[in-house]
Amino acid sequence: EIVLTQSPGTLSLSPGERATLSCRASQTISSSYLAWYQQKPGQAPRLLIYGASSRATGIPDRFSGSGSGTDFTLTISRLEPEDFAVYYCQQYGGSPPLFTFGQGTKLEIK
Amino acid sequence: EVQLLESGGGLVQPGGSLRLSCAASGFTFSTYAMSWVRQAPGKGLEWVSVIIGSGGSTFYADSVKGRFTISRDNSKNTLYLQMNSLRVEDTAIYYCARTLSGYWFDPWGQGTLVTVSS
Repeated sequence: EIVLTQSPGTLSLSPGERATLSCRASQTISSSYLAWYQQKPGQAPRLLIYGASSRATGIPDRFSGSGSGTDFTLTISRLEPEDFAVYYCQQYGGSPPLFTFGQGTKLEIK
Repeated sequence: EVQLLESGGGLVQPGGSLRLSCAASGFTFSTYAMSWVRQAPGKGLEWVSVIIGSGGSTFYADSVKGRFTISRDNSKNTLYLQMNSLRVEDTAIYYCARTLSGYWFDPWGQGTLVTVSS
């Protein structure tokens, strides 16, 4: 089973700052199979990034994804007030369990 | 607009059963795999099950295998999750999600809360 470990657990930043969130896999995964989601309190998750670096429809260009192998990064270039939320990475493993999520990074206002 | 609307959640005793439904609209339902993902209160996301577009193949997380059954009715654009032998640890919000390219989830429904408690 591939385990995804996200860091940091909590990130405290101010609006306008740059956020860098990390997702590390326990073994090499294909970039095609890595996605990022945003979840705000009381809401369902929303797809931000798929294939490690492609933005989903309607996602602002301040969100970007990068990485390969075992290390992946979600970057928010300039934080807006609405960006403070919990972020999850997710991978498709092809073998049971088919899909796994990281434990999440909470991005909070400093 | 693509929409997913879950229903069927509620309070059930340990060992009981519940059937969740997810009504889909705004896309050709039969051409997409569909998944259930759950989130225990205050916790992270856990994939539960996926079914391919035709309904011919299904896959489950080990935590629910043998107890939950995913199915779909493409004539009704509806996804189901039959949950039997429910345990306290199955308490969670259950989301249905369209599974794009078989690899990621978009969009998600608003979720339905299942509470297993005596």
